[in-house]
Amino acid sequence: GAVVSQHPSRVICKSGTSVKIECRSLDFQATTMFWYRQFPKQSLMLMATSNEGSKATYEQGVEKDKFLINHASLTLSTLTVTSAHPEDSSFYICSAIDRGQGEQYFGPGTRLTVT
Amino acid sequence: DAKTTQPPSMDCAEGRAANLPCNHSTISGNEYVYWYRQIHSQGPQYIIHGLKNNETNEMASLIITEDRKSSTLILPHATLRDTAVYYCIVRVSGSARQLTFGSGTQLTVLP
Repeated sequence: GAVVSQHPSRVICKSGTSVKIECRSLDFQATTMFWYRQFPKQSLMLMATSNEGSKATYEQGVEKDKFLINHASLTLSTLTVTSAHPEDSSFYICSAIDRGQGEQYFGPGTRLTVT
Repeated sequence: DAKTTQPPSMDCAEGRAANLPCNHSTISGNEYVYWYRQIHSQGPQYIIHGLKNNETNEMASLIITEDRKSSTLILPHATLRDTAVYYCIVRVSGSARQLTFGSGTQLTVLP
């Protein structure tokens, strides 16, 4: 089946620093990728939609200047959390739509802890 | 996408069948029923999907009622590793739109 990877799987950073999370589709091309955030005991909440070669579309309440998304190729999207604060600590999950099949696959998630 | 309703939690004995219900009474004719699960601290995993016929794969079976207003995911022989949150999602197959996750059902498989 289609595989989506995320790197890193876990990251701890200090408040005020920036962290980049990578999402890659390993065996398919993805024109659209999504970034979700999940707080403990809650469901996944969509943060933004990332389309290859164009600007990301952010959900209401998500700061585009804080969560920078770049989708420079058909297999890679990155999420950069800028000036991280402890309240940004969360589980970040990406998903990608297989351009050929149209189905959506999820990465394993990245656990971000801001101290 | 149509809204779905699932019980918040269920228990199942190891080795027995787990039957997870989902109501989707506002489903449209071109919308499929998808099931994903999320094991703790992992990304969601695709399980199965169907339109109106019952479906079976190596992981599970999906039973959709004739009026398509509800469905049941069946794990025929639940194991401890099946403990997870199970999400029932209704969407158009191949849609470029995001998946919208509800609260899901926390299935706990008991030894």
